[in-house]
Amino acid sequence: EVRLVQSGAEVKKPGESLKISCKGSGYSFINYWIGWVRQMPGKGLEWMGIIYRGDSDIRYSPSFQGQVTISADKSISTAYLQWSSLKASDTAMYYCARVHWYDSSRDKRGPFDFWGPGTMVTVSS
Amino acid sequence: IVMTQTPLSLSVTPGQPASISCKSSQSLLHSDGKTYLYWYLQKPGQPPQLLIYEVSSRFSGVPDRFSGSGSGTDFTLKISRVEAEDVGVYYCMQSLQPWTFGQGTKVEIK
Repeated sequence: EVRLVQSGAEVKKPGESLKISCKGSGYSFINYWIGWVRQMPGKGLEWMGIIYRGDSDIRYSPSFQGQVTISADKSISTAYLQWSSLKASDTAMYYCARVHWYDSSRDKRGPFDFWGPGTMVTVSS
Repeated sequence: IVMTQTPLSLSVTPGQPASISCKSSQSLLHSDGKTYLYWYLQKPGQPPQLLIYEVSSRFSGVPDRFSGSGSGTDFTLKISRVEAEDVGVYYCMQSLQPWTFGQGTKVEIK
């Protein structure tokens, strides 16, 4: 069974740093891309970026480039999303999700097939 | 690519059909002949779950009361007989360039 387990909810102050995690199990972590998706309170879904098995191959949505850092540790099948200086506008639910397939050489991609339960990040002074 | 869903909310009697429309700002037909349009359901308090991929194929475990159709820029999700467990927000998504979602359609039971 494919499972993505995310770290718990966080409450932070503006300017603080944060790193949240997503651990995959039940499948070969190194053979799939993992993506991060933001959902602001009461709003829709926004793709942030994807990473392939902890390699240097990371793709960011232009909307999130420079705002967050995505990384991974393939030895423990875990992907990360981090901020160096949080803002109140970062308050949101963050989901990790497995990319069903991605052909980077042809720039083609499939859907997010399995999702983690989400990590709620609240940034407030 | 901008994805636009209508309606934004829908109230349905159990056992009755429901239909959601999704329009993309450009064709989702790839040169490989496939159309990269998907449908998700986000039940209350849960992450989204994949229902339909490539316009009309049901994902593993999805009941056959869900069906997808369309081509080019116009797509439709239909639920043949709505059940109580179908409540939530439905999103369409494209993966052509690279991923964008519709704004969501909230389905509730009358």
